[in-house]
Amino acid sequence: SAVISQKPSRDICQRGTSLTIQCQVDSQVTMMFWYRQQPGQSLTLIATANQGSEATYESGFVIDKFPISRPNLTFSTLTVSNMSPEDSSIYLCSVVLRQGRNIQYFGAGTRLSVL
Amino acid sequence: AQTVTQSQPEMSVQEAETVTLSCTYDTSENNYYLFWYKQPPSRQMILVIRQEAYKQQNATENRFSVNFQKAAKSFSLKISDSQLGDTAMYFCAFTPNTDKLIFGTGTRLQVFP
Repeated sequence: SAVISQKPSRDICQRGTSLTIQCQVDSQVTMMFWYRQQPGQSLTLIATANQGSEATYESGFVIDKFPISRPNLTFSTLTVSNMSPEDSSIYLCSVVLRQGRNIQYFGAGTRLSVL
Repeated sequence: AQTVTQSQPEMSVQEAETVTLSCTYDTSENNYYLFWYKQPPSRQMILVIRQEAYKQQNATENRFSVNFQKAAKSFSLKISDSQLGDTAMYFCAFTPNTDKLIFGTGTRLQVFP
C-alpha cells in the first residue's frame, strides 16, 4: 500500500471563499482521484487528476468550481471554489499504485463545513 | 448504466457471530473488479477484499470472504467471528477495468458485545 496524507483534515469556511486540499503520497503513483462524500452518502468521483495536464472531470463537476492540479507523480490539490453550504462534504483523494491492479488506496479525507 | 446496489442500509451482529452484507451490480462488461471497502468512524476508507470477475474462486482475507455469483451479478461479503472493531460503514464498489470506482450506497454495520 502507500501512505497518503491529506491536509487539512477538517475546516470550517465562510460562504464565498475557497479552500485548497492537498494530497501527498509517499511513493510515485500512476493515478490519483478526488471524491466527494456528502453527509451520510456514498462516494462520488469528482475527477481524475492527470499529471502534467488538465484533470478529467465527471458529469456534474466543472473545472471552475473544482480546479485540480497534479504537478508530479506524488502530489495533487483540489480547490473548492466560491463555496456554499451545499459544498459541505468529506473530500477524499485516492491513488492507484500500479496500473492494472485496479486497487485504490484512500487518504483520510477532509471534512469541510461551509457556513 | 453501471450501478451498484446495497439493499441493507443497516445491519447488526453480536460479537463472534457471522454476518453477510449483500451487494448486486449491473454491467455489460465481462472483465471487471469488485471490492468491499470499510469506512470506520475515523472515515479512513480501508480495502477489505478484492475479487476479479474472471476468477471463479471466491476471494478470502482472514475472517472476510465473498460469495461471488457472476451470472446473478451478486457479490456478498461474509464476516466471520465478528469483532467490535468491525463496526463501520461497508461499501461495495465496482470498476470495469478503468480504475474508476463506482460505489454502492453503503451498509452501516454495528457489532454488539
